[in-house]
Amino acid sequence: GAGVSQSPRYKVTKRGQDVALRCDPISGHVSLYWYRQALGQGPEFLTYFNYEAQQDKSGLPNDRFSAERPEGSISTLTIQRTEQRDSAMYRCASSDEVGPQYNEQFFGPGTRLTVL
Amino acid sequence: QKEVEQDPGPLSVPEGAIVSLNCTYSNSAFQYFMWYRQYSRKGPELLMYTYSSGNKEDGRFTAQVDKSSKYISLFIRDSQPSDSATYLCAMRRHNAGNMLTFGGGTRLMVKP
Repeated sequence: GAGVSQSPRYKVTKRGQDVALRCDPISGHVSLYWYRQALGQGPEFLTYFNYEAQQDKSGLPNDRFSAERPEGSISTLTIQRTEQRDSAMYRCASSDEVGPQYNEQFFGPGTRLTVL
Repeated sequence: QKEVEQDPGPLSVPEGAIVSLNCTYSNSAFQYFMWYRQYSRKGPELLMYTYSSGNKEDGRFTAQVDKSSKYISLFIRDSQPSDSATYLCAMRRHNAGNMLTFGGGTRLMVKP
């Protein structure tokens, strides 16, 4: 079946512009996660959802970053007034269960954001 | 200091060698330990996961967790050029959501 998809794959924007990054999880997956990965680094947690409810947003760097998942499927990560330091790969992952037990996260190909 | 430390490499080995990849961590609350493989320009894909301490084997791959030392390892036997990738360790706490804390990744190159 189809994996996690993200769009756009590449986004170049000018400093100060707003951007919206989209994640389409694996069909039926109830949990969705956003990570940011700098070049040569591991992914860094941003926020996650169970169904449409945002469970934890402690990893969002500041209030310019927000995320939503209104219908419990597709999610959008929005960065307002972008800055050059926001340039990174933004990755989405999904898993098919909630709860304290281990749930494998399946990662998407990412959106490469470049802020000029 | 980061919660999870991983030597960035690169680690270069000849084909057929045994590879040892390692991570150390500082948070004793971590209970689940994972190894992801990431090929260039791709997303991470899960190789193995282990709950708490112990060993787990899957084909050419063996994962070890030593919680007393806060040290985890991934061993790759009979390494192949197709194993060339970045290997990321990841960890999560029990009963605290499913968010993962990753190491920085080790780049492995297996030369034919």
